[in-house]
Amino acid sequence: NAGVTQTPKFQVLKTGQSMTLQCAQDMNHEYMSWYRQDPGMGLRLIHYSVGAGITDQGEVPNGYNVSRSTTEDFPLRLLSAAPSQTSVYFCASRPPLAGDSDTQYFGPGTRLTVL
Amino acid sequence: AQTVTQSQPEMSVQEAETVTLSCTYDTSENNYYLFWYKQPPSRQMILVIRQEAYKQQNATENRFSVNFQKAAKSFSLKISDSQLGDTAMYFCALPGGGADGLTFGKGTHLIIQP
Repeated sequence: NAGVTQTPKFQVLKTGQSMTLQCAQDMNHEYMSWYRQDPGMGLRLIHYSVGAGITDQGEVPNGYNVSRSTTEDFPLRLLSAAPSQTSVYFCASRPPLAGDSDTQYFGPGTRLTVL
Repeated sequence: AQTVTQSQPEMSVQEAETVTLSCTYDTSENNYYLFWYKQPPSRQMILVIRQEAYKQQNATENRFSVNFQKAAKSFSLKISDSQLGDTAMYFCALPGGGADGLTFGKGTHLIIQP
């Protein structure tokens, strides 16, 4: 199993550009989520999904869109990038609540810089 | 709203020493899990240890153990015989209510000196 994969690892954008951060997992996890990590702030939840076709907002959703068409993929879209979105982005997935409950597995992260 | 507080932004100890990282939290849940994650310079988030709140016994994983005090809502991480590879950011985390994700503390930067 590759676990949780993210592409790209690094990205530089100009203000106003759009892009999609890719996230995929091969563990058949229903639950997937996106976090951003800023210096001194820890990780904060952007959006999450409890299964294909179902998404919901987390703590800091503004400026980001998500969709979940398959169990494996959970892309994060920035429609018009702003310097405030400069951050490291992590995707995570979690097994069903029975068993290994609430343990989330993280991807390697994407470092995004918006100029 | 859930909160997680890590009051030590940075700690530094000598190799082979024992170090304890503090974490306090607030939740209205009765049954929940608590986690410590390690983030080395590679930035990968690595699960260190997990504690189930309904279990009295403190979790241990090799050199890592926790002191979980449910009534005080305290969840500290003890690292014994610290090694250079333990140098990293350490985050305490608590699941949110329902299908929400994890709420993280701001982290403790642990430096192990040779």
